[in-house]
Amino acid sequence: GAVVSQHPSRVICKSGTSVKIECRSLDFQATTMFWYRQFPKQSLMLMATSNEGSKATYEQGVEKDKFLINHASLTLSTLTVTSAHPEDSSFYICSATGSSYEQYFGPGTRLTVT
Amino acid sequence: KNQVEQSPQSLIILEGKNCTLQCNYTVSPFSNLRWYKQDTGRGPVSLTIMTFSENTKSNGRYTATLDADTKQSSLHITASQLSDSASYICVVRNGEGGKSTFGDGTTLTVKP
Repeated sequence: GAVVSQHPSRVICKSGTSVKIECRSLDFQATTMFWYRQFPKQSLMLMATSNEGSKATYEQGVEKDKFLINHASLTLSTLTVTSAHPEDSSFYICSATGSSYEQYFGPGTRLTVT
Repeated sequence: KNQVEQSPQSLIILEGKNCTLQCNYTVSPFSNLRWYKQDTGRGPVSLTIMTFSENTKSNGRYTATLDADTKQSSLHITASQLSDSASYICVVRNGEGGKSTFGDGTTLTVKP
């Protein structure tokens, strides 16, 4: 099956700093990428949807100035958590779709803000 | 409102036993339904994807069923193994706009 990678797998940062998470589709061109966050024992919550070359569409309640998403190519999307605070600590997961119905998920990034 | 409800919320079974997880949805129009397995601290991994015309689809010990008339799906796990312990998530995609709605998942624990 198609592979989606995320980097880093886990990151610890200090409050007030910014963190960038990369999401790559390794063997297919991802026309659409999705970013989710997941709290313990809860399901995935969609944050935003991004299409290559255009601005991301954010879900209601997600601050676009805080969670910057860039989808500059068909294989790479980045999520930057700006001025991170402890409440931003979460598990961030990206997924990508290409030409098929399938939605492939990355392995996730554990963000801890101290 | 598009919703996906999964039951049970959690389930504990003994190794070797079978189990069935349920997913009911109200998403309309329907495009496809997917079952994912998510291990703790990992991203979801696709088990099956079913479109409107498919009633049953198997992937090894996993068999998914779909009744598009009653808007119900099930995931049957045969001869469970310890490694089956995970969260199983049902996701239904809308046929208009393509938005996916996630269920809250069923946490399965397989004990020796």
